[in-house]
Amino acid sequence: KQEVTQIPAALSVPEGENLVLNCSFTDSAIYNLQWFRQDPGKGLTSLLLIQSSQREQTSGRLNASLDKSSGRSTLYIAASQPGDSATYLCARGGADGLTFGKGTHLIIQP
Amino acid sequence: DAGVIQSPRHEVTEMGQEVTLRCKPISGHDYLFWYRQTMMRGLELLIYFNNNVPIDDSGMPEDRFSAKMPNASFSTLKIQPSEPRDSAVYFCASSFVAPMNTEAFFGQGTRLTVV
Repeated sequence: KQEVTQIPAALSVPEGENLVLNCSFTDSAIYNLQWFRQDPGKGLTSLLLIQSSQREQTSGRLNASLDKSSGRSTLYIAASQPGDSATYLCARGGADGLTFGKGTHLIIQP
Repeated sequence: DAGVIQSPRHEVTEMGQEVTLRCKPISGHDYLFWYRQTMMRGLELLIYFNNNVPIDDSGMPEDRFSAKMPNASFSTLKIQPSEPRDSAVYFCASSFVAPMNTEAFFGQGTRLTVV
């Protein structure tokens, strides 16, 4: 069974800091790696999608990287803001669909 | 498009009752997915459809769970009879092509509580 692990499970930082969320997966034969944001009581919002042939994707203050050989992805958030507070989930896309990590609960302190 | 629409948003039912969750995918999307989210297990794929046909239901926990997609704009997930351990948030998602290749769009979820 494929597994996706996210570290840390929770993170609290002051506003303005740059931060990195980590995701690791057990199978390098992935199709893509996706990062989602989930706000309390809400569904998931797709943030970034990295195809297996790509190394990184950027959207605004967010940058996601993918290293298939080591089974790792990182989500970099620059100049964090209180509005970035949410749970961030990564998901490995493979032949069996999307496998999710349990998420990193992020709190940005004003 | 209004996105993936799920109903109801919240459902409280007694053990043993039948529960039906509903989903309207984004128009034009060929794939529809049902997920369950709990604190202990995170997000788990239950079943997914391609062009209204169930493709993989290996994630359905028991025979008490069933899902249908009678047309391209509607799907249901039914639990009969429901049990307290079924309490979770159930998400529906859709994508234009297989999610391994493109973004998946999620609904707001249905929070199910079985007492």
